Amino acid sequence: AQKITQTQPGMFVQEKEAVTLDCTYDTSDPSYGLFWYKQPSSGEMIFLIYQGSYDQQNATEGRYSLNFQKARKSANLVISASQLGDSAMYFCAMRETNQAGTALIFGKGTTLSVSS
Amino acid sequence: EAQVTQNPRYLITVTGKKLTVTCSQNMNHEYMSWYRQDPGLGLRQIYYSMNVEVTDKGDVPEGYKVSRKEKRNFPLILESPSPNQTSLYFCASSPIGDSYSGNTIYFGEGSWLTVV
Repeated sequence: AQKITQTQPGMFVQEKEAVTLDCTYDTSDPSYGLFWYKQPSSGEMIFLIYQGSYDQQNATEGRYSLNFQKARKSANLVISASQLGDSAMYFCAMRETNQAGTALIFGKGTTLSVSS
Repeated sequence: EAQVTQNPRYLITVTGKKLTVTCSQNMNHEYMSWYRQDPGLGLRQIYYSMNVEVTDKGDVPEGYKVSRKEKRNFPLILESPSPNQTSLYFCASSPIGDSYSGNTIYFGEGSWLTVV
């Protein structure tokens, strides 16, 4: 069964608008971490934001915030005031912390296109 | 500067010609892993290592080998590359412990490999 689901292959938004990228996850581990990465066309993986399963508040990092709804097992990324440079592929990932290894499990990604 | 260095960044090779993609980290991390990224599939783990001389298979290990003779290095070996191994490869490292946060996972810049 897929552990990380990103249902939006592509999203389009205009500059200065906010956009939400969806991510749902599946785990029976009570302790886990959720990550969002940005991958521009150059290919590198850029860490954006992290949410631990026991964190009481939603994570925020500048224009990025994570809308964490634990009961619904969703961890949507919200980008406020989109910029042209936000055009990229975005990956949601999870790490289950009761595992011996610390592998990240990735979703298939969402391509975000920001237009002027 | 903390970093994970992969080489080569770009390679076009022929079927059957053995190649090695090197990965080195300067953070004394115990955990290292290799991922491959394919369109529509996200990143999938190939192999991982918990420490020197300790390696194990990830989700897609077929056609790959790894070794961990030193803590800082974790090369990925393709003994007889085939066209279906054409992909973008990432090496990643992180410490092992109870404290997790997003910025303790470091990715290399990626290696674009084409097998013809």
